[in-house]
Amino acid sequence: EAGVVQSPRYKIIEKKQPVAFWCNPISGHNTLYWYRQNLGQGPELLIRYENEEAVDDSQLPKDRFSAERLKGVDSTLKIQPAELGDSAVYLCASSAGLANQETQYFGPGTRLLVL
Amino acid sequence: AQSVTQLDSQVPVFEEAPVELRCNYSSSVSVYLFWYVQYPNQGLQLLLKYLSGSTLVKGINGFEAEFNKSQTSFHLRKPSVHISDTAEYFCAVSASQGAQKLVFGQGTRLTINP
Repeated sequence: EAGVVQSPRYKIIEKKQPVAFWCNPISGHNTLYWYRQNLGQGPELLIRYENEEAVDDSQLPKDRFSAERLKGVDSTLKIQPAELGDSAVYLCASSAGLANQETQYFGPGTRLLVL
Repeated sequence: AQSVTQLDSQVPVFEEAPVELRCNYSSSVSVYLFWYVQYPNQGLQLLLKYLSGSTLVKGINGFEAEFNKSQTSFHLRKPSVHISDTAEYFCAVSASQGAQKLVFGQGTRLTINP
């Protein structure tokens, strides 16, 4: 069974440029998460989807970040414009259900460096 | 809201020695507890989780953790570590009811020396 796929794995951009990350969850997983992991820290949730609906985006900086999951499968996270402080690893995860005890399966992440 | 504190940012141990990685949590409601491991350049992988029942939880790769409600702790242990256990370990908590949100600690870097 294929795991969570993310691309690109690495991205270097200059500040004020746009950037997008793509995630394909495990087949059949209805719940999809985007996390940001700053250096030396644990992941922090940005947004959570149940199918195509964003059910928790309270931590997403909406002035520059946007996300979509149009067909309830793969998802894109966008930053426009990027700032120096956005340098981090962006992780995508998926789970089979919405329940709090569900195991989340993580992709390898996209490491973003903003210069 | 829930929070997690991992008491050690780095833990160096010798190969075949025992190890304990400490985790304390804070919550006003009952919780589920998780330990994830992150190998270099890889995503997080679940080691084990406590949902209910026996407070001693066994996971993959010989790891186990004990839930202690009175001390609000969920420490991770392994009786004998290997070089391959070198990784970052994250403790995480979610409320057992209500909004599903996994809150992670800052992580503990486990380094195994030969």
